[in-house]
Amino acid sequence: QVQLVQSGADVKKPGASVKISCKASGYTFTSYTLHWVRQAPGQSLEWMGWINAGLGNTKYPQQSQDRVVISRDISAATAYMEVTSLTSEDTAVYYCARSPQHGDYWLDTWGQGTLVIVSS
Amino acid sequence: SSELTQDPAVSVALGQTVRITCQGDSLRNYYASWYQQKPGQAPVLVTYGKNNRPSGIPDRFSGSSSRDTASLTITETQAEDEAVYYCHSRDSGGFVLFGGGTKLTVL
Repeated sequence: QVQLVQSGADVKKPGASVKISCKASGYTFTSYTLHWVRQAPGQSLEWMGWINAGLGNTKYPQQSQDRVVISRDISAATAYMEVTSLTSEDTAVYYCARSPQHGDYWLDTWGQGTLVIVSS
Repeated sequence: SSELTQDPAVSVALGQTVRITCQGDSLRNYYASWYQQKPGQAPVLVTYGKNNRPSGIPDRFSGSSSRDTASLTITETQAEDEAVYYCHSRDSGGFVLFGGGTKLTVL
């Protein structure tokens, strides 16, 4: 079955970086786009960016452009998101999710989430 | 504007019908998808496209759209439907949008 499995929870100090992985299985990795979405405690969903797993091109919202890098390793069927210069406001659960590459981007499969805590 | 607007909270009596709405300019060109999120869990896709449901989603969930507004309708609402519902879409530049979420309370 289609599955996205993310790396485990992490605790980081302010100013550090975190890199989260999202391993895909059960489908052709390069035929879909992978998105990253985060959710701060008690808050709504925030889109962090996406990568077309086939072409490798990415798209970020303005608030992510300076600190977020999304990449993928086709041979490992894995996408990654690195967030740099962490602050306490980056404390959140981070999700990866799969969408079609064209047309409407519905997110039909989600990872289990990765909790990142930023604390001194 | 590149935003999706939802009512923060809606309530419905057990067994009744409820409609949750989402408004935004991008919805004139792209369909919304809807997600159900229960506490401590990842969101789950419940409707997408014109009115499609992933396998395993009960047919009491349906989606519709008119001009700049998308709607999620739940008929014969069950206690287990109590959750936060998010709408989601994209714009012409490929940027992704989420609504702020609607907390559904089943009375």
